[in-house]
Amino acid sequence: DAGITQSPRYKITETGRQVTLMCHQTWSHSYMFWYRQDLGHGLRLIYYSAAADITDKGEVPDGYVVSRSKTENFPLTLESATRSQTSVYFCASTERGGLAGEQYFGPGTRLTVT
Amino acid sequence: DAKTTQPNSMESNEEEPVHLPCNHSTISGTDYIHWYRQLPSQGPEYVIHGLTSNVNNRMASLAIAEDRKSSTLILHRATLRDAAVYYCIPARFQGAQKLVFGQGTRLTINP
Repeated sequence: DAGITQSPRYKITETGRQVTLMCHQTWSHSYMFWYRQDLGHGLRLIYYSAAADITDKGEVPDGYVVSRSKTENFPLTLESATRSQTSVYFCASTERGGLAGEQYFGPGTRLTVT
Repeated sequence: DAKTTQPNSMESNEEEPVHLPCNHSTISGTDYIHWYRQLPSQGPEYVIHGLTSNVNNRMASLAIAEDRKSSTLILHRATLRDAAVYYCIPARFQGAQKLVFGQGTRLTINP
């Protein structure tokens, strides 16, 4: 199906483990983003990518790693998960990364670190 | 980034118009004003955006003050499905369109 998908939708992991969250979009959008949303708060930008092999830090990048070898995929890795990384993670994409444009968001991955 | 001020919550009745205000007094001349909404347990959804003049689309209207220090999102005829958190976001292009989400306004629609 066309659109933006995230997997897994739910994940429970232990402190110290490595976790990878997947994001896939079928529109061939150039720009992709990762946000986190903590309970009762707005979203915060973790990393973004302007194209394959081009990534840059957002507001809260510490503890996360991203890669973008293919335009349609933008995985987010927590190298050593901590309890403070318990959150809902949203991936987004947009055709135009400029001043104005619509970002399309995925359904989110709810991550719990115990 | 421009700071925004929105009411924490608002309430309205079904089939009535809703005006959601936002103050963004530190907005720069090149920032577009975006509105997104987030329904319960879903990712944010784009609503509308504008720069200087008022904008309309199938979902809503956006009224922007002449000095651009405030804007109002107008839902012309609210439905129960419009119950969501609404975010007003002045977005600046810095290598990419970075959206900074504040607390937003939680809109409740009464049947």
